[in-house]
Amino acid sequence: NAGVTQTPKFQVLKTGQSMTLQCAQDMNHEYMSWYRQDPGMGLRLIHYSVGAGITDQGEVPNGYNVSRSTTEDFPLRLLLAAPSQTSVYFCASRSRDQRIHEQYFGPGTRLTVT
Amino acid sequence: LAKTTQPISMDSYEGQEVNITCSHNNIATNDYITWYQQFPSQGPRFIIQGYKTKVTNEVASLFIPADRKSSTLSLPRVSLSDTAVYYCLVGDISYSSASKIIFGSGTRLSIRP
Repeated sequence: NAGVTQTPKFQVLKTGQSMTLQCAQDMNHEYMSWYRQDPGMGLRLIHYSVGAGITDQGEVPNGYNVSRSTTEDFPLRLLLAAPSQTSVYFCASRSRDQRIHEQYFGPGTRLTVT
Repeated sequence: LAKTTQPISMDSYEGQEVNITCSHNNIATNDYITWYQQFPSQGPRFIIQGYKTKVTNEVASLFIPADRKSSTLSLPRVSLSDTAVYYCLVGDISYSSASKIIFGSGTRLSIRP
């Protein structure tokens, strides 16, 4: 299993540009989430999904869109990039099985908006 | 979701036992306590989870008193490779909210030779 994969690893955008951060998992997990982590800070939840076709907002959803058309993929779209969105973005997944509590994280995407 | 409070940073030495305490006064009946570890430039990694009393795995122990308003992560005989940020999370793992896991600022643990 590859686990949770994220692409790209690094990205530089200009203000106003848009892009999609990709996230995929091969563990057949129902739950997937996107977090952002600013320097020296904890992780903040952007959006999450409890299954294909179902998404919901987290703590800091503004400026981001998500969709979940398949169990495996959970892309995060930045609509109009702003310098405040400079951060490291982590995707995570976990099983719906309540006996399994572990959340698996991807390696992260480091985004800089100039 | 219950708010958690942990020390911002801790220092220790190789071979010592390290205990990191987390306060969660508003913990709800359905809430579990979970700890994650994060190394620089990596995503967090699950360490341990518990509901009450004591849980132990190959990496750590988790002590939870009867009132569940706090918990202590215990790392036995730490090494330099245990230098990381440790996050305490409290939340309901039921279907409706299991995916909505909130992280705090964590405890930055530094291990010295």
